[in-house]
Amino acid sequence: GAVVSQHPSRVICKSGTSVKIECRSLDFQATTMFWYRQFPKKSLMLMATSNEGSKATYEQGVEKDKFLINHASLTLSTLTVTSAHPEDSSFYICSAREGQMNIEAFFGQGTRLTVV
Amino acid sequence: EDKVVQSPLSLVVHEGDTVTLNCSYEVTNFRSLLWYKQEKKAPTFLFMLTSSGIEKKSGRLSSILDKKELFSILNITATQTGDSAVYLCAVERNTGNQFYFGTGTSLTVIP
Repeated sequence: GAVVSQHPSRVICKSGTSVKIECRSLDFQATTMFWYRQFPKKSLMLMATSNEGSKATYEQGVEKDKFLINHASLTLSTLTVTSAHPEDSSFYICSAREGQMNIEAFFGQGTRLTVV
Repeated sequence: EDKVVQSPLSLVVHEGDTVTLNCSYEVTNFRSLLWYKQEKKAPTFLFMLTSSGIEKKSGRLSSILDKKELFSILNITATQTGDSAVYLCAVERNTGNQFYFGTGTSLTVIP
């Protein structure tokens, strides 16, 4: 069954508004969470890595002021797309890892964001 | 409710073993099923399957789809330590450009 829950599964918002996506680890403490964005040809790009209680580490080219990531607890990370524009429309997916040395990471179900 | 379920959640094998990873789905308006391998920065795309019974193959990896029984398997033969990764399955719907991802299967290959 699902060990990482991501909500919402789909959201439509107006241009200029902000959207928050939640990623929860259900039965383990996620010390590290990852956020990805899907691009054409099905490829997934890592946006940022967040560790509980500290600032997220963003990949090159990802605007940290636009994609706000908060990892305030060991079971919840949020991605907020601020002042969304149509080009932000995409599929966003998170994954969560327990412990610093554990290589296993489980994925959320993903969120389809459409900005109109 | 549309969903994708992968099994097992994690698996440990010895080098040289053959493994089979499972992905079952309940998704309306099915379009395609995709397999990814998560290693470093982001999952890398492995296969896209749209038709039943046609095996996709790439080296020691192969995959097949059964649209009647609603599942796909990913086979890895003669496993190597470099195959250690999380393997992710996703299903794409025909409508709404929507994807549904499984949780992933964590594979560890020990020497």
